[in-house]
Amino acid sequence: NAGVMQNPRHLVRRRGQEARLRCSPMKGHSHVYWYRQLPEEGLKFMVYLQKENIIDESGMPKERFSAEFPKEGPSILRIQQVVRGDSAAYFCASSPDTYEQYFGPGTRLTVT
Amino acid sequence: AQSVSQHNHHVILSEAASLELGCNYSYGGTVNLFWYVQYPGQHLQLLLKYFSGDPLVKGIKGFEAEFIKSKFSFNLRKPSVQWSDTAEYFCAVNGATNKLIFGTGTLLAVQP
Repeated sequence: NAGVMQNPRHLVRRRGQEARLRCSPMKGHSHVYWYRQLPEEGLKFMVYLQKENIIDESGMPKERFSAEFPKEGPSILRIQQVVRGDSAAYFCASSPDTYEQYFGPGTRLTVT
Repeated sequence: AQSVSQHNHHVILSEAASLELGCNYSYGGTVNLFWYVQYPGQHLQLLLKYFSGDPLVKGIKGFEAEFIKSKFSFNLRKPSVQWSDTAEYFCAVNGATNKLIFGTGTLLAVQP
């Protein structure tokens, strides 16, 4: 069983561009969580999704950020009009239930 | 608000020394507690977890943690560390909607 996959692993964007981060959960997992790790900080929860539904987006910035988990395909975290402060590592985790979460390798976003 | 505190940001030990990393949480409801480890260049992996039952939890690689409800603590221990334990360690609590709330992490360096 392959682990949680994230791509790309590294992403460089200029200010004002869009960033799309993908997460493929482990097989059989229907719960997906996104976390962000800023330099020198721990991981912060952003959003929790189940197939086609956003369950909790209390950690998402109010503007420019959106997430989806369609019926088919990976979960996408989308950041519009990126700014330097969006530079961080973005981690996805998946879960078969509501307890243990399995993490992907992360996407390191650099905004220049 | 829910929070997790890790008191030690950087720890340096010699091989065979004993390890104890502190973790305190603030959450009013029933908690699930976790320790994750991130080895250099790798993604987060689950070391151990506490859901209920015996408050002394055994994890992988000789790690254990003790849940002390009266102290809101879940400290991680290992009697004898190895060079390969060099990593960053994160304590986390499972909050509402099962999102994980992480501490800021402890960077452990084990000197051979």
